[in-house]
Amino acid sequence: AQKVTQAQTEISVVEKEDVTLDCVYETRDTTYYLFWYKQPPSGELVFLIRRNSFDEQNEISGRYSWNFQKSTSSFNFTITASQVVDSAVYFCALSEPYGNKLVFGAGTILRVKS
Amino acid sequence: ETGVTQTPRHLVMGMTNKKSLKCEQHLGHNAMYWYKQSAKKPLELMFVYSLEERVENNSVPSRFSPECPNSSHLFLHLHTLQPEDSALYLCASSQVNRGDSYGYTFGSGTRLTVV
Repeated sequence: AQKVTQAQTEISVVEKEDVTLDCVYETRDTTYYLFWYKQPPSGELVFLIRRNSFDEQNEISGRYSWNFQKSTSSFNFTITASQVVDSAVYFCALSEPYGNKLVFGAGTILRVKS
Repeated sequence: ETGVTQTPRHLVMGMTNKKSLKCEQHLGHNAMYWYKQSAKKPLELMFVYSLEERVENNSVPSRFSPECPNSSHLFLHLHTLQPEDSALYLCASSQVNRGDSYGYTFGSGTRLTVV
């Protein structure tokens, strides 16, 4: 069975600090996909990134970066120089290639204070 | 309009009322989903429709009744709800292809309060 664990329930940082959100997953599939979503107070889950299991290159997009490590089954998300607008709930998710069913972690609440 | 649209954004209903939540996707996707998000609880998958057929029903009480008349529209019919059903109900859509996964596009949700 697939499972996603986000051990950090809530993180508070001060603006301009760097913050890393952890995600650990379990799956028996050799092919799978990992995602991060952001849920601001408005409620909508916004897609941030998709990564397949064969691509272990780390990715950077502006202040966002992702570290995928198959050896530890982790897909961590780092925000550099955090801003108040980054305050949201962040979800990590795992998908099998057939059926497209997403399994979500419990989410991490990020609070960025000015 | 683009993306996934949910109406209404907010709904307050009594326990004896009947109401419906509506979801419409403009992305040409072939699968749609209902999720429930309660305070301090993980996202709960309620129903999955793929090619307009219900393919998953995760032990949801019968007071929730989904309907998918076509690939672009999804409804959640509500009747005789309980206060614990108060939550954010999220609709999502995706394109299901063999051998690949693109994740979901979510709507903004309907904030439901049962009084």
